[in-house]
Amino acid sequence: EVQLVESGGGLVQPGGSLRLSCAASGFTFSSYWMHWVRQAPGKGLVWVSRINSDGSSTSYADSVKGRFTISRDNAKNTLYLQMNSLRAEDTAVYYCARDFQIIDYWGQGTLVTVSS
Amino acid sequence: SSELTQDPAVSVALGQTVRITCQGDSLRSYYASWYQQKPGQAPVLVIYGKNNRPSGIPDRFSGSSSGNTASLTITGAQAEDEADYYCNSRDSSGNPYYVFGTGTKVTVL
Repeated sequence: EVQLVESGGGLVQPGGSLRLSCAASGFTFSSYWMHWVRQAPGKGLVWVSRINSDGSSTSYADSVKGRFTISRDNAKNTLYLQMNSLRAEDTAVYYCARDFQIIDYWGQGTLVTVSS
Repeated sequence: SSELTQDPAVSVALGQTVRITCQGDSLRSYYASWYQQKPGQAPVLVIYGKNNRPSGIPDRFSGSSSGNTASLTITGAQAEDEADYYCNSRDSSGNPYYVFGTGTKVTVL
């Protein structure tokens, strides 16, 4: 069974940093591209970032480019999102998701709240 | 970057048919994927590709596409189909982005 479990969310002040993790199991993690997608309270889904299977290629939404960094550790079956210079508008549930030519499986999400 | 536009809300009587549409230039190049999201839950893939359903998704869900519009149809809507639905595709503007639709709230009456 495919499982994606996010962690690392919480309350952070504007300008602060946070690192999210996503532990994967039930599939060969190193063979799949992965994504981060976020959802602000009461709002729709917004794509944030993706990384290819070996970590050599990444892409970011314009809204987070230069502030967020996606990475992965295939030995630990874990995806990461390092978030710096956080803003109030980054407040959202952050989901990690697997890419099998389309985004097919999602984790349950972790809530990030940026507030003073 | 590309945008995908959906109607904000639709309603359907129990057992009737409802079609949800998604419009955007990227859909001329890529098929849409469709996701169902119930309150407090993660999205679930319901349709992908030309008209493919993942294992466990009822056959009352179907997809189609024409030009810049993709559609998700629920034939014989059930109470449990009440949810938000989002389309998704890759960006076709040359950027390595992905884009989600604005979302449609489906209410089953």
